[in-house]
Amino acid sequence: AQSVTQPDIHITVSEGASLELRCNYSYGATPYLFWYVQSPGQGLQLLLKYFSGDTLVQGIKGFEAEFKRSQSSFNLRKPSVHWSDAAEYFCAVALMEYGNKLVFGAGTILRVKS
Amino acid sequence: DAGVTQSPTHLIKTRGQQVTLRCSPKSGHDTVSWYQQALGQGPQFIFQYYEEEERQRGNFPDRFSGHQFPNYSSELNVNALLLGDSALYLCASSLEVYTEAFFGQGTRLTVV
Repeated sequence: AQSVTQPDIHITVSEGASLELRCNYSYGATPYLFWYVQSPGQGLQLLLKYFSGDTLVQGIKGFEAEFKRSQSSFNLRKPSVHWSDAAEYFCAVALMEYGNKLVFGAGTILRVKS
Repeated sequence: DAGVTQSPTHLIKTRGQQVTLRCSPKSGHDTVSWYQQALGQGPQFIFQYYEEEERQRGNFPDRFSGHQFPNYSSELNVNALLLGDSALYLCASSLEVYTEAFFGQGTRLTVV
């Protein structure tokens, strides 16, 4: 069955420090990959997506993610975290031959300390 | 562009009641998907509507049903509410079923 694993439930980083959030997926084929961010009580905002091509993708708010086929991973990174980045981050995958039905990981809550 | 809009924002229902949630897709979008996000979990796919037909369905009981109207807006209906149905219900829209989805702010349903 399709699954997405985000191994870290909570991560705390200092403002200005670098960030990496991990995501691994289990699929028979290479899926389409997404990272979303959710502030408390809010909907989901798309940070970035990977469909094909360059395995390093740039997103909004200074985020980037790298697709590594050999590791079935799609980790999210940011070189310098701002206090406003505190939120919950979700990795999601989709097999487009089945439409854009998304399978989400359980999320990682990011706390930023000043 | 108003984006994806959902109503109501919050509501409280009693066990056994029925509820209807509404979603207006982003302008130009024709596909609507619904997700349930329980507290502390990632969203779970309920179903997807395209051309007024249910195209895909996740692992949810028949108590969950939906509809898409000719203007592409959609409703999610839940019958015989259980305490476990308490969650944030998210609507996502896209242009056809093969493009990225944009999410609304969600409806927070509390069943007491």
